[in-house]
Amino acid sequence: NAGVTQTPKFQVLKTGQSMTLQCAQDMNHEYMSWYRQDPGMGLRLIHYSVGAGITDQGEVPNGYNVSRSTTEDFPLRLLSAAPSQTSVYFCASRGRVDNSPLHFGNGTRLTVT
Amino acid sequence: AQSVTQLGSHVSVSEGALVLLRCNYSSSVPPYLFWYVQYPNQGLQLLLKYTTGATLVKGINGFEAEFKKSETSFHLTKPSAHMSDAAEYFCAVSEWAGNQFYFGTGTSLTVIP
Repeated sequence: NAGVTQTPKFQVLKTGQSMTLQCAQDMNHEYMSWYRQDPGMGLRLIHYSVGAGITDQGEVPNGYNVSRSTTEDFPLRLLSAAPSQTSVYFCASRGRVDNSPLHFGNGTRLTVT
Repeated sequence: AQSVTQLGSHVSVSEGALVLLRCNYSSSVPPYLFWYVQYPNQGLQLLLKYTTGATLVKGINGFEAEFKKSETSFHLTKPSAHMSDAAEYFCAVSEWAGNQFYFGTGTSLTVIP
């Protein structure tokens, strides 16, 4: 039972480069989301999706794009990486029931130099 | 939007001592409440979640949380700390029919032998 799978685990980018962080879940969850975790700031929501073809912005969406073409996948794109985007990124999904918890992947540690 | 406050970014306890991690939320309407644990270099794992009507919620690894509506609190406790409890703990809330989770800034628990 894989749950939420994120790739890659580590990535180093130069300023201005672009990349895609991959996220896949095998629990048939309609809701998926991306968070970034920075020291002392907890987790901040970047983007989320309530189903295929539907995405919305969270608290810190600037510099990131998402799309949701299938229920299983929810990639996060960095258009032009900046040092401020150095962070640990987590993908999470949840089921339909109102008090369903979020299920997290193991994270991607991104460094932008 | 909700806000979640975790008092004490760092808590140290002796092995065998009581663990108390504090969480307060801002909404006058009780939201859905969760506690997560994060071990180094891993994603967040669900410790427990609030169930409507309950005041004391039991979770994994001997942790419990008490819901107090009058104090808008959901503090996490464990009667006797173990070395393996050393981790970062996050309180989170989700609104009724809402699509966003709001996380506290986390409390790092150190267990002293």
